[in-house]
Amino acid sequence: AQTVTQSQPEMSVQEAETVTLSCTYDTSENNYYLFWYKQPPSRQMILVIRQEAYKQQNATENRFSVNFQKAAKSFSLKISDSQLGDTAMYFCACHNNNDMRFGAGTRLTVKP
Amino acid sequence: KAGVTQTPRYLIKTRGQQVTLSCSPISGHRSVSWYQQTPGQGLQFLFEYFSETQRNKGNFPGRFSGRQFSNSRSEMNVSTLELGDSALYLCASSLNAGAGANVLTFGAGSRLTVL
Repeated sequence: AQTVTQSQPEMSVQEAETVTLSCTYDTSENNYYLFWYKQPPSRQMILVIRQEAYKQQNATENRFSVNFQKAAKSFSLKISDSQLGDTAMYFCACHNNNDMRFGAGTRLTVKP
Repeated sequence: KAGVTQTPRYLIKTRGQQVTLSCSPISGHRSVSWYQQTPGQGLQFLFEYFSETQRNKGNFPGRFSGRQFSNSRSEMNVSTLELGDSALYLCASSLNAGAGANVLTFGAGSRLTVL
């Protein structure tokens, strides 16, 4: 079974600064995908960024980028130029075709 | 186009009752998956349906069941409710099966409170 660990229950960052959220995972699969999802206080979960495990290049999506270290099974999320709207719970997830696992989440607060 | 719609948004039940939650996926999406979110256990996968068939099931007791209809709409049912079933139940849809290759779009959730 897959496991996903987010070791930072809560984090805060000043507006316009950069913050990195940590995630480690464990899986015996060779073909899997990694995701970061964001759940704002309104509760609707939305996709932030996605990484295919077979791709070495780190995924980026505007202000969001990942540092994917496959050997270390690490998948951190970097948010640059943090905005107040980035305040949310962030979930790291590891999915393959038969199993879906989420981390416990990191509550990020962006302070003005 | 419309997103993933979950009904009802809020409901209160008592122990021993049963509940049915509904999920309408994005038009054209054929896969629906369900998750339970609680403060203590986080997000846990319940099951995934594709073309009216259950593809995968998480580690939940048999009281939790689901189904998918020919129009891809899905329902989940929890029988003999327990206090610990109080949670936010999230539904997500994707174009095809296998959430790895297919991006999930989540609904707003159904908040179940069991008294």
